[in-house]
Amino acid sequence: DAGITQSPRHKVTETGTPVTLRCHQTENHRYMYWYRQDPGHGLRLIHYSYGVKDTDKGEVSDGYSVSRSKTEDFLLTLESATSSQTSVYFCAISPSNRPTEAFFGQGTRLTVV
Amino acid sequence: SQQGEEDPQALSIQEGENATMNCSYKTSINNLQWYRQNSGRGLVHLILIRSNEREKHSGRLRVTLDTSKKSSSLLITASRAADTASYFCATVPDGGTSYGKLTFGQGTILTVHP
Repeated sequence: DAGITQSPRHKVTETGTPVTLRCHQTENHRYMYWYRQDPGHGLRLIHYSYGVKDTDKGEVSDGYSVSRSKTEDFLLTLESATSSQTSVYFCAISPSNRPTEAFFGQGTRLTVV
Repeated sequence: SQQGEEDPQALSIQEGENATMNCSYKTSINNLQWYRQNSGRGLVHLILIRSNEREKHSGRLRVTLDTSKKSSSLLITASRAADTASYFCATVPDGGTSYGKLTFGQGTILTVHP
């Protein structure tokens, strides 16, 4: 699992509430990513980070924000959850010696009702 | 938009048979990678092939890349029930600093029957 811990692993929340997902890594990797996985869409990049306080948008960033105040933690926030954000969210890292490869966490299943 | 399109969407074979999955993509790439996902788990990196490579092997895996056709194939030889999983291709675009900003296909579901 590349030393990646995602929390929570499962969450059910109501429409309109804020939600924060956490990704914690233990190996000091510089690059971290958040993807979402939906049937028929594969995995799509939401946001990524290339260092502390250095983040950028991915393909499907609307409705999401991220923060990285420490190397080991990358937080994904849904400002006001919608049913279309029901998905499985995966955090990933890229080691510096293999910067284009991704190593994934176990995922967080989020249901917005 | 999806960079990679995979074919077939589902594949069912018997143990010992070979499994071939195909991936097509649209833009110039730096490299193409294959990942496996077991049910309910995260993705696991299998193999990476660079744009200047045509074929690569890793154990029972053989990957080919045809940049003129913008396509790749993954061959799993002598399949086992434990190979049952979803398989995804993912591309890294050419140029710039792409890190692990992968663009994934929709995946092929492989079922290997004992």
